[in-house]
Amino acid sequence: QLVLTQSPSASASLGASVKLTCTLSSGHSSYAIAWHQQQPEKGPRYLMKLNSDGSHSKGDGIPDRFSGSSSGAERYLTISSLQSEDEADYYCQTWGTGIVFGGGTKLTVL
Amino acid sequence: QVQLVQSGAEVKKPGASVKVSCKASGYTFTSYGISWVRQAPGQGLEWMGWISAYNGNTNYAQKLQGRVTMTTDTSTSTAYMELRSLRSDDTAVYYCARLPHPIAVAGSRFAAPDNWGQGTLVTVSS
Repeated sequence: QLVLTQSPSASASLGASVKLTCTLSSGHSSYAIAWHQQQPEKGPRYLMKLNSDGSHSKGDGIPDRFSGSSSGAERYLTISSLQSEDEADYYCQTWGTGIVFGGGTKLTVL
Repeated sequence: QVQLVQSGAEVKKPGASVKVSCKASGYTFTSYGISWVRQAPGQGLEWMGWISAYNGNTNYAQKLQGRVTMTTDTSTSTAYMELRSLRSDDTAVYYCARLPHPIAVAGSRFAAPDNWGQGTLVTVSS
């Protein structure tokens, strides 16, 4: 069964970097994923598509501070030079017989 | 620029139906699909299904089969999602999102919503 696993929470200081992880279930390590950001009281926003080889393509207007990488079944979202507006929920998502979402990671900027 | 504008908030009684609209602009409507995703209060994102605006083909989440219908009106570039037999646990914000048609990637298929609507709150309460 295709499942995406995310840590429920993460935190980092203003101006620092943070790396969020999304883990694909066994047998699905070649799958591409996408990252979406949801700021408080707002709808989701597409950040990027991330392939198993680490190549990624970002959505329109997404700052260079956001980048993606991959290792095996793990997919990462790195946010550098953290700003207050980066405090949000981050969801990874892939495609099986339809869309599959991870449970989301709530990022707190200290 | 791509825009998806959804209809306004709804309050419904248990057992009723709701129909949410999503008007698209800024792109060729029939070149993409529309996916519907909902989010219950304090919860994560739940995929409901999608419809191809090209040929009207649909794919619904198993959990909602039989209660949900997704349609499009290509003359107005509008997508609709109707949910029937509403229950209290259907209370959620409902989002539409533009969905490129799935493509082959490394032996599997992939698609991701790349533009989202603003959301429509549906409250089910007696």
